[in-house]
Amino acid sequence: DTGVSQNPRHKITKRGQNVTFRCDPISEHNRLYWYRQTLGQGPEFLTYFQNEAQLEKSRLLSDRFSAERPKGSFSTLEIQRTEQGDSAMYLCASSLDSSMGVAFFGQGTRLTVV
Amino acid sequence: KQEVTQIPAALSVPEGENLVLNCSFTDSAIYNLQWFRQDPGKGLTSLLLIQSSQREQTSGRLNASLDKSSGRSTLYIAASQPGDSATYLCAVRRILTGGGNKLTFGTGTQLKVEL
Repeated sequence: DTGVSQNPRHKITKRGQNVTFRCDPISEHNRLYWYRQTLGQGPEFLTYFQNEAQLEKSRLLSDRFSAERPKGSFSTLEIQRTEQGDSAMYLCASSLDSSMGVAFFGQGTRLTVV
Repeated sequence: KQEVTQIPAALSVPEGENLVLNCSFTDSAIYNLQWFRQDPGKGLTSLLLIQSSQREQTSGRLNASLDKSSGRSTLYIAASQPGDSATYLCAVRRILTGGGNKLTFGTGTQLKVEL
């Protein structure tokens, strides 16, 4: 495992459907982050896990969004009842406690809601 | 609320030119600042990280400076090449509860280096 892996890379869904994305962090990285990036903007923080505990959530994470990291390894991000405004790149990153905060990003999942 | 601004939004230069990208932030209480590169449709590649106590970092043709008190950072690219064409993102980091951290990004500078 040489990096953060995200699946799927691309997802097209109809408005109102539920979607789930998966992130596999670098092995032994205990911290995992989700960011969202809309076209022409920088990424925005969504949420953060330390092991299996979700320690912080942005107000951007509405009640239609839920993120889990059940065993402190991979994480899933689910969006229920998708809206066109959810169309974005969803980026996952992971880091170690001792890394001065340096996080490694995955390639992202591009969501298009039609 | 931290806000990060990058100027210019887009830049087109001929190959070989030296260039400077600018980043400013409103809250100087940062842990560190990081510059990233993003190719179209791709994730982020870290270029340079400057701790809040540092003034600059260098890697190859890249040099990043930080003036924390004035809320400014610059990324200097020497002898630009077509392969440098990408979007460059500046991000400031603060520490969260539990020791994790949060990056606040600027909107990026889209760089095109022409032959």
